[in-house]
Amino acid sequence: NAGVMQNPRHLVRRRGQEARLRCSPMKGHSHVYWYRQLPEEGLKFMVYLQKENIIDESGMPKERFSAEFPKEGPSILRIQQVVRGDSAAYFCASSPSYKRQYAYNSPLHFGNGTRLTVT
Amino acid sequence: GESVGLHLPTLSVQEGDNSIINCAYSNSASDYFIWYKQESGKGPQFIIDIRSNMDKRQGQRVTVLLNKTVKHLSLQIAATQPGDSAVYFCAERPYVGNKLVFGAGTILRVKS
Repeated sequence: NAGVMQNPRHLVRRRGQEARLRCSPMKGHSHVYWYRQLPEEGLKFMVYLQKENIIDESGMPKERFSAEFPKEGPSILRIQQVVRGDSAAYFCASSPSYKRQYAYNSPLHFGNGTRLTVT
Repeated sequence: GESVGLHLPTLSVQEGDNSIINCAYSNSASDYFIWYKQESGKGPQFIIDIRSNMDKRQGQRVTVLLNKTVKHLSLQIAATQPGDSAVYFCAERPYVGNKLVFGAGTILRVKS
């Protein structure tokens, strides 16, 4: 009965390197969301994906950031040429199909995040 | 733009007392609101939710109140326990679209 699984839990990268964050949604969930959280702040929406389809990427920076959710395998958030300002906790959440979310249950189930540190 | 804010960044309560955490939201199009609890090093954990066609919903030791007239949401925790110490976030979901908009959070500290 696994929940949303994220790995790695901690990731250290030097400036200019690439960071790849992985997220496996809950079983039966077909929607994935990525959020970023800076220390002492709330979660900021980045992107919302279905399998092989980006639904809403209004929170994604225009450069260096990309996300995918392939037909097979986990969702990947990729940050190219990382800078110190990318240091944050990145959370993934999942949900069942959109129409079913209006039932009285949690719309989003979160993983425990990946803490990215850029040195 | 959309924004969800909290009145108090930190709330300290005595164990056994009731806690009230407040939240103001600005998007009148939101039809669904959620409270999450986040403990150190973990992801947000769902507590309780409420739709905009209701003004009150109760769970186990928690109650959420919604006042759409003033765009205000509150979370009441009865008989607060040390295990309730965490950061609490309110979040809203606009009717159109599916992302959640989170507030900045309130730190709840329970004194024994």
